[in-house]
Amino acid sequence: EVQLVESGGGLVQPGGSLRLSCAASGFTFSSKYMHWVRQAPGKGLVWVSRINTDGSSTSYADSVKGRFTNSRDNAKNTLFLQMNSLRAEDTAVYYCATHPAMDVWGQGTTVTVSS
Amino acid sequence: EIVLTQSPGTLSLSPGERATLSCRASQSVSSNYLAWYQQKPGQAPRLLIYGASSRATGIPDRFSGSASGTDFTLTISRLEPEDFAVYYCHQYDSSPRTFGGGTKVEI
Repeated sequence: EVQLVESGGGLVQPGGSLRLSCAASGFTFSSKYMHWVRQAPGKGLVWVSRINTDGSSTSYADSVKGRFTNSRDNAKNTLFLQMNSLRAEDTAVYYCATHPAMDVWGQGTTVTVSS
Repeated sequence: EIVLTQSPGTLSLSPGERATLSCRASQSVSSNYLAWYQQKPGQAPRLLIYGASSRATGIPDRFSGSASGTDFTLTISRLEPEDFAVYYCHQYDSSPRTFGGGTKVEI
């Protein structure tokens, strides 16, 4: 069964850091570009970042550029999102999803940035 | 960036009725790289349509997508109780990827 499972969310103070993980199974993870998408409470979907198959190329939404880093470990079938200098507006459910049309999504992990 | 505008914001219908959801792009979306997702409360989005008109695996044939220039449409031919949800369009033609604001289909 094709599956993505996110983890690592939680409550963090403004200015703090978190590292999200997305564990993949049921498909050849190393051959897939991957995406992060977030959804603030009661709001719509917002694309955050994309990474290519070997991690050598990434792209980011302007709102997170310079603060978030997308990476992957193909040996462990795991995608990561390192989030630094977190702000209240980063509060959201974070999903990982497959490329290109985001046909597979994880269940999401909740990040709350608050003092 | 490509802005996607969905309308209406909310669609109030009854089971058995036809639903027509619109998504207008601010510029051309190459090769119709446009997808539709369904999202229910507390759940992740589920891919319904990709390439503007191709149904994803396991999606019932009451869901269909079409395109005309920069206008995209998702049609649900006969609403089932499980179809009441929020629907998003998404373009995967260019970076940054963008989503529409969503259409809520309610009873």
